[in-house]
Formats: sequence, structure tokens, C-alpha cells
Amino acid sequence: GAGVSQSPSNKVTEKGKDVELRCDPISGHTALYWYRQSLGQGLEFLIYFQGNSAPDKSGLPSDRFSAERTGGSVSTLTIQRTQQEDSAVYLCASRRGATGDGTQYFGPGTRLLVL
Amino acid sequence: GDSVTQMEGPVTLSEEAFLTINCTYTATGYPSLFWYVQYPGEGLQLLLKATKADDKGSNKGFEATYRKETTSFHLEKGSVQVSDSAVYFCALSDPGTASKLTFGTGTRLQVTL
Repeated sequence: GAGVSQSPSNKVTEKGKDVELRCDPISGHTALYWYRQSLGQGLEFLIYFQGNSAPDKSGLPSDRFSAERTGGSVSTLTIQRTQQEDSAVYLCASRRGATGDGTQYFGPGTRLLVL
Repeated sequence: GDSVTQMEGPVTLSEEAFLTINCTYTATGYPSLFWYVQYPGEGLQLLLKATKADDKGSNKGFEATYRKETTSFHLEKGSVQVSDSAVYFCALSDPGTASKLTFGTGTRLQVTL
């Protein structure tokens, strides 16, 4: 079946602009995660959604970052007033349910470059 | 908090050489352990996993054994190929709460002819 998809695959923006990144999880997966992969910081957790529960936002680096998940499926990560340090690959992952062995399936990522 | 430590890279090997990438972890509970692989220009792919002590995960000739006594999950392959060149990430997850994956820093493997 279809895996996790993300769009756009690449995004170039100017400092100070807002960007939206989209993630379509695997159908039927109730858990959705966003991570950031950057040269200096490795792979960092950003935010986690599980069903209709309040999201775990503990990894968001600043209040310029926000995310929503509509209808328990598609998620959008929004970065406002982008800064050059936001340049990174943003990865989305999904998981079947709230329990189990923790296996997450990743999308191809969105490569963001802030000029 | 939880953490994962893996050996620094890059690791450069000749084809058919034996591979070991060390991974140790710190966790308060009994995490699930994973190895993910990232090929050039691609996203993360699950390579193998183990969910409890003494479990051995295996896939594509790679193996790793969950060692609770040494809190380790070392990745091994008996004979690497050029196509195995990639970045390998060790990670853990708390199984009960669907929490985040905590990753190591990644180890780049370069296999040459």
C-alpha cells in the first residue's frame, strides 16, 4: 500500500516568510509525528498526534512553529517568520496505534532552505 | 531522559568486510530498539527492530541483538556490499505510550570495491 507522503519535496523561501509543510500518513495509522533533521542537531522530535487527543508539542523549538492534524489524517506543519536556522529536512512519520512496539514509518521528507 | 549513543563515523570498509556499528542506550523502562537506514537522497527506512531483551532483529543480512545487561543494540553484517553505503541510525521508543523515537547521531558507512 501507499506509504507516508510529504509535500513539497523541496522548498526555498526568504527569511521572514511563512511556510507550510504537508504530511499524508499511511491510511489507518492513528499516530503521526514530525521530526527535523539538521546538520548540527541530528534528528529531533517536534510534535506528536494520537487520534483526537491533544498533541504532544514538547519538541517544538519556538512559538513560530505550529502543527495541526485535520480529521485525524493529513497534518500541516507551519513555520512563521522563517529564520536561516530553520533550514533542515522535515520528516513526517506515522504509526498504526497508541500501543505496540513503536515502529514508525517515515516519509521522504521536505527539504527547507531559508535564504 | 532517554538517550542513544552510537559510534562516530564515517566508517569505511572494503566490500565483503565485516561490519559492526556500536549502539548503547539509556532508558528508564523497557524500550523497543530500532535501526533505521537512510540511503543517499532518501528518507528513513526501518532496517530491523527488537522489542525485548535477547530478541534478535534481522533483515537483509544485518542483525542486532537486544542486550539488556549491557544496554546495547549493536548492528552487524558479515559481508557488506557497496549498496549498503548509507547512514545508519540507532533509535529507541517507549512501547507503552507511542512516544517519540529517540535517535543516535547516525553513522555514515562507505563501502568501496
